[in-house]
Amino acid sequence: EVQLVESGGGLVNSGGSLRLSCAASGFTFNTYNMNWVRQAPGKGLEWVSSISSGTNYIYYADSVKGRFTISRDNAKNSLYLQMNSLSAEDTAVYYCARGLVVGTTASAFDIWGQGTLVTVSS
Amino acid sequence: DIQMTQSPSSLSASIGDRVTITCQASKDINNYLNWYQQKPGIAPKLLIYDASNLGLGVASRFSGSGSGTVFTFTISSLQPEDIATYYCQQYDNFPLTFGGGTKVEIK
Repeated sequence: EVQLVESGGGLVNSGGSLRLSCAASGFTFNTYNMNWVRQAPGKGLEWVSSISSGTNYIYYADSVKGRFTISRDNAKNSLYLQMNSLSAEDTAVYYCARGLVVGTTASAFDIWGQGTLVTVSS
Repeated sequence: DIQMTQSPSSLSASIGDRVTITCQASKDINNYLNWYQQKPGIAPKLLIYDASNLGLGVASRFSGSGSGTVFTFTISSLQPEDIATYYCQQYDNFPLTFGGGTKVEIK
């Protein structure tokens, strides 16, 4: 079964750091671009970051640039999001999502994890 | 950044009704437009990719059309399980952007 499972969310103080992980299974992880998308409580979806299959291409939303770092370990079938200098505005459910088309930098998000909640206390 | 404007933000329709949602991009995005369904507390689900292609296992009552800047998502016959919020998303350019969402309710 194709699956993504996030972990690492929790409660953190403003200014603190957190590292999210996303474990992939059921597909050839190293051929797909991967993404992080977040959703603040009661709000819409916001794209956060994308990384290509070979890590050659990395993109960030302006709202997280310079504070968040996306990475992946293809040997471990895992995606990560290191989040530093967190503020209340970063409070959200964070989803990892697979890009639909192999070998592309951007495409639809066809597989999503269940999400992990990050709460930043001010 | 490309702005995605979805309308309406909410709608109420009866079972069996045809439902249409519009998404307008602030610039030409070719057909690089996707539609997602999200039910409360659950991750989004891909319904339509590249403007008009049905996602894997998605019911045929869902469809999409459009190109350039104006796109339409349609549910041909609304079912109780279609109660959800629907989002469009462009991937023509980074940053990738979503529409604000359309909440669909039963009348």
